[in-house]
Amino acid sequence: AQSVTQLGSHVSVSEGALVLLRCNYSSSVPPYLFWYVQYPNQGLQLLLKYTSAATLVKGINGFEAEFKKSETSFHLTKPSAHMSDAAEYFCAVSYGGATNKLIFGTGTLLAVQP
Amino acid sequence: GAVVSQHPSWVICKSGTSVKIECRSLDFQATTMFWYRQFPKQSLMLMATSNEGSKATYEQGVEKDKFLINHASLTLSTLTVTSAHPEDSSFYICSARDRTDVYETQYFGPGTRLLVL
Repeated sequence: AQSVTQLGSHVSVSEGALVLLRCNYSSSVPPYLFWYVQYPNQGLQLLLKYTSAATLVKGINGFEAEFKKSETSFHLTKPSAHMSDAAEYFCAVSYGGATNKLIFGTGTLLAVQP
Repeated sequence: GAVVSQHPSWVICKSGTSVKIECRSLDFQATTMFWYRQFPKQSLMLMATSNEGSKATYEQGVEKDKFLINHASLTLSTLTVTSAHPEDSSFYICSARDRTDVYETQYFGPGTRLLVL
């Protein structure tokens, strides 16, 4: 079965430090890939998506992700963390087709220390 | 663009009553909408896929008579929790797929928190 793995349910960084959130998918066929962010008691906001146009995808709020087919990965990074980045981050994949379900990872809670 | 709204944002009801949650795509048309349930500190669980003008497709283990879904237009889907019980208390989130988006991106609503007493 297709799945998404997010390594690290909790990640803590200092303000100004590099943010790296990991995401791996299990498929030989490259899916559509997404990163979403969820702030407390809110819905999910799309950060960025992989559309096969470029392997390095830039999103909102200074985040970017790189698609690496050989590693089946789509890790999310940000050069310098802000306090406002503290939230839950979800990686998701879709393989298209008639149902187009999103398969979510279990999420990574990012804490930013002052 | 790509804004999805949900109403109400939170609701408290007595056990045995029914609750309707609305999901609207405000600036795009959505042939497909999705309903999720999220438990505290967990990922989203897909409940059903709602297609405009047809019956919803429910995930395994989700009672279709308990969670009634109607997708009457290209911008509105509703979820009705019938005869709600305390175990139905949860955070319900909808998403909508822009019919013109070839990458099948889902845009999410802000969620509805349901508390059944």
